[in-house]
Parts: sequence; C-alpha cells; structure tokens
Amino acid sequence: DIQMTQSPASLSASLGETVTIECRASEDIYNGLAWYQQKPGKSPQLLIYNANSLHTGVPSRFSGSGSGTQYSLKINSLQSEDVASYFCQQYYDYPYTFGAGTKLELK
Amino acid sequence: EVQLQQSGAELVRPGTSVKLSCKVSGDTITAYYMHFVKQRPGQGLEWIGRIDPEDDSTKYAEKFKNKATLTADTSSNTAYLKLSSLTSEDTATYFCTTGNSGYFDYWGQGVMVTVSS
Repeated sequence: DIQMTQSPASLSASLGETVTIECRASEDIYNGLAWYQQKPGKSPQLLIYNANSLHTGVPSRFSGSGSGTQYSLKINSLQSEDVASYFCQQYYDYPYTFGAGTKLELK
Repeated sequence: EVQLQQSGAELVRPGTSVKLSCKVSGDTITAYYMHFVKQRPGQGLEWIGRIDPEDDSTKYAEKFKNKATLTADTSSNTAYLKLSSLTSEDTATYFCTTGNSGYFDYWGQGVMVTVSS
C-alpha cells in the first residue's frame, strides 16, 4: 500500500496569513492526489484534484502543487471559514489512502 | 446535481451485523463507482472499498476484506455497505462517496455506527 505522510498534524495561523500543508507519498503517485477540507460534524469536501486542479466553486486562495512523491496545499490570505481539518488522498493505486490530516486553527 | 443520502444512525450489539444504505439522486448509480470511507471519532479517513454498480465488481482495502461487503441495487439507485462481526473498533462514521476519476466529488452526510452492549 502507498503510505501518505502529512504534516503538520496541527497548525495555528492568523487571519490573512498564508499556510502550507505537505503530503509525502511512499512512492511516486504521478499527480494522483486530492486535497479535502472537513469541518466538524460535516462530510469532507473536495478542494484540489490531480495535485493542482481547483475543484469547481473552491476559492482561488486555495492552490495545490507538487509532483512525484511530494505535494503541498497552500491557503493564501487565511479566512475564518478556513478553520477545518485538511486531508490528502492518493488515487494513483488501490487501495486508496489518506494522510492523517492537519487541523488548522486560528491564532 | 448529484446527491447521496445515507441511512440513519445505528446502535448495534457486538458480534452482530449492520447494513448501511446510500441512495443516489440526480443521476443513475451506474454512472459512478461508489466508495465507502470510515472515520473513527476524532481520527482520519480510511478507504474501505468501492463497487462498480454496472457489473457489481468490487475492490476492498485488505483490512476490510473480512469485515465489509459492498452491494448495489440499480433499480433503487442505492449502494449498500454491510459490516459483520461488529466490535468496538467498528464504532465510527461511515461515508459513501463517488469518484470515477479516483478523487471524490460527492459525499453522503455520513452515518454514525455505535457498537455497544
């Protein structure tokens, strides 16, 4: 199975700040990577797919980048509504696997 | 717009089974692979497996092969997840989700399963 190592596990940032979350795959996943946002008590919501494509309706302050085994999610100009947990997911190969998640809070 | 409606919360006894449903509206279920994901309280996401309702083919994560069974009923546009031999480790929220390209566009609201005597 492909292991996804996500960091940091938690993050505290101020409004307007830029934050970056990283995911490292145990092998090359050829950009088969998605990022999700999950708010408490809610279902995950797709933000980014194919490592760098913005899902319909997602604000442009979210962006994804990376290749090979290293990927990142960047949030520019942090807003209060961005407080949530974020997960990466690889879909290059079965079984699909997720990172352990990053909990983003306001400082 | 595609919507996934899951069945209600379950309280079940250890050692028993439970069958959860996920009804697709806004499109035919055969247009999608239906996936199920587990999330234990305060924890991350685990992919359980997926079914192709077109031909009932399935794929499972190894750890769920003797725990989960995925089925689909095209006449009712519904996918099912059956969990057997339940233990406290199965207490979690279970999501159905769709993604023909590997990533998950649509999600059900989740169903909480509590295993307790």
